[in-house]
Amino acid sequence: QSVLTQPPSASETPGQRVTISCSGSSSNIGSNFVYWYQQFPGTAPKLLIYRNTQRPSGVPDRFSGSKSGTSASLAISGLRSEDEADYYCAAWDDSLSGHWVFGGGTKLTVL
Amino acid sequence: QLQLQESGPGLVKPSETLSLICSVSGGSISSNSYYWGWIRQPPGKGLEWIGGFDHTGTTYYNPSLKSRVTISVDTSKNQLSLKLNSMSAADTAIYYCAGQMGSSGLSYWGLGALVIVSS
Repeated sequence: QSVLTQPPSASETPGQRVTISCSGSSSNIGSNFVYWYQQFPGTAPKLLIYRNTQRPSGVPDRFSGSKSGTSASLAISGLRSEDEADYYCAAWDDSLSGHWVFGGGTKLTVL
Repeated sequence: QLQLQESGPGLVKPSETLSLICSVSGGSISSNSYYWGWIRQPPGKGLEWIGGFDHTGTTYYNPSLKSRVTISVDTSKNQLSLKLNSMSAADTAIYYCAGQMGSSGLSYWGLGALVIVSS
């Protein structure tokens, strides 16, 4: 069971907006940055959002991140078929000498 | 542009030790502000952080794997290594090495190395 909690699946139709949640605790999301990764089958994860809300160069502004307290969210607007992928949240956890924790991942289906 | 490549055996017997190497090109592994780590992904499952180290030389491990893991760096070869002992079927996974600068997230990933534990 993952330290960060994500819904296992999400779905929406093209052009719409979808939000993926990530719930943690005071030792991780509550006190550290949240990161989001996108992964297509058979490929390595790709950084999508860093430091809660920042997009690396090349990531469309359709992708946005937010954080409030011990929870975070990834929003994808103007959904496209190519957004169908697995999405993972991650954060540093200050407990037990410090370590990274991931969410279990959310499989996004574009209907 | 940093490039990372994992290498190692694709098949490990139960109870043996896994040894993987991650070769870094396009930059120095000992550069200030860099963080390097290992992440694994069992087939059809999610990501699990194994451990890593930062530019100060501090090593961090997943508490659930700490007793079995050793991560080290060879700056002369620009490589980081992973050793995981007492392998079992539950350790079958794709093993990725990854890197980041500062708190900018894991921007650099290797292609991953599939490791199967089987006799």
